[in-house]
Amino acid sequence: DAGVIQSPRHEVTEMGQEVTLRCKPISGHDYLFWYRQTMMRGLELLIYFNNNVPIDDSGMPEDRFSAKMPNASFSTLKIQPSEPRDSAVYFCASSFAASSYNEQFFGPGTRLTVL
Amino acid sequence: KQEVTQIPAALSVPEGENLVLNCSFTDSAIYNLQWFRQDPGKGLTSLLLIQSSQREQTSGRLNASLDKSSGRSTLYIAASQPGDSATYLCAVRRASNTGKLIFGQGTTLQVKP
Repeated sequence: DAGVIQSPRHEVTEMGQEVTLRCKPISGHDYLFWYRQTMMRGLELLIYFNNNVPIDDSGMPEDRFSAKMPNASFSTLKIQPSEPRDSAVYFCASSFAASSYNEQFFGPGTRLTVL
Repeated sequence: KQEVTQIPAALSVPEGENLVLNCSFTDSAIYNLQWFRQDPGKGLTSLLLIQSSQREQTSGRLNASLDKSSGRSTLYIAASQPGDSATYLCAVRRASNTGKLIFGQGTTLQVKP
């Protein structure tokens, strides 16, 4: 398997623009997670899905952030409108609940810069 | 509220040394604890996962221990190499019915040749 795939790897945009981040989880995994990493706050969970259904979105910072998982192989995280404080690395991770350890496997991340 | 702390924040050692990274958590009611490695500009790679019923896990030169009652875990790296230089993060999972991980801030390790 290719692992968790994220696109784009880098995104530079201007304040006020819409940003869409994409994630393809590992095939067969039933959990998908979106994290944000900054120097100040470290790694924070934004939202996670189980079987395509959002389970916990308490980490989503505000209404400008939204996430969808239309099917088992694709998820998006959208920021509209974007602000400079949204600049961070966004990670997607997936896991398989029925496995012995239910480890989370991370994608390479999308580095977002909002000017 | 679960809080995870890693000490030290940064560590520099000469090649060949054995070293210990520390992770502490405030709520001992955890399901498991996972150690990750992150290279600069890269994603996270899972190193070891310890279930709450386990005391330790080993993989090659790495050994992770867990003391739930005291809220502590250690990652032991034997015979460190320059290739071990990276940031090491620990994360705890609260319960079996949630996938949510709470991360520490990480320890940045530099192994000098």
